[in-house]
Amino acid sequence: EIVLTQSPGTLSLSPGERATLSCRASQSVSSNYLAWYQKKPGQAPRLLMYGASSRATGIPDRFSGSGSGTDFTLTISRLEPEDFAVYYCQQYGTSPNTFGGGTKVEIK
Amino acid sequence: QVQLVQSGAEVKKPGASVKVSCKASGYTFTRYYMHWVRQAPGQGLEWMGIINPSDGSTSYSQKFQGRVTMTRDTSTNTVYMELSSLRSEDTAVYYCARPSGGYDYWGQGTLVTVSS
Repeated sequence: EIVLTQSPGTLSLSPGERATLSCRASQSVSSNYLAWYQKKPGQAPRLLMYGASSRATGIPDRFSGSGSGTDFTLTISRLEPEDFAVYYCQQYGTSPNTFGGGTKVEIK
Repeated sequence: QVQLVQSGAEVKKPGASVKVSCKASGYTFTRYYMHWVRQAPGQGLEWMGIINPSDGSTSYSQKFQGRVTMTRDTSTNTVYMELSSLRSEDTAVYYCARPSGGYDYWGQGTLVTVSS
């Protein structure tokens, strides 16, 4: 199965700062079928990006995704208070679907 | 609007089984596969398997093979996930999720607690 490694494990930033999250795959992600989710306690995950760089419905444009093959990035251009959460990448191009271990974005 | 509504929290003893339901509405049930994902306390997201509501075919994570069964009822637009031989490590929130370029819709989650 494809193993996804997210880094860093924790990102300590202030509101207004830029966040850059990395997701590295153990082998190439088929058709760049890579998604990003935001997860807050007590809530279901929220889809942010799919196909590596397409924003899901209703997602603000401060969120952007990039990358291909084995290296992917989620960028939050200016952190808003509601953006502090855990972020997961997922590949859905090869069965079994797999998730990364998550990056926690916390308030500095 | 699309909704996935899951059954309520469960408390089970080790060795027992649990069956979680996920009722879909707002779209054509048989047009989208359904996935199950879980999150144990303090842990990340873990994919469990997938069911095709159209024909009932399934594919499970190797980790759960032999312990998990996913079924569907097209008369009520509901999918089910049954996990058997429960152990404490199965304590988690279980989610159903609809795939459409990533999982665009999720159920609210069902907490399953395994405790003696």
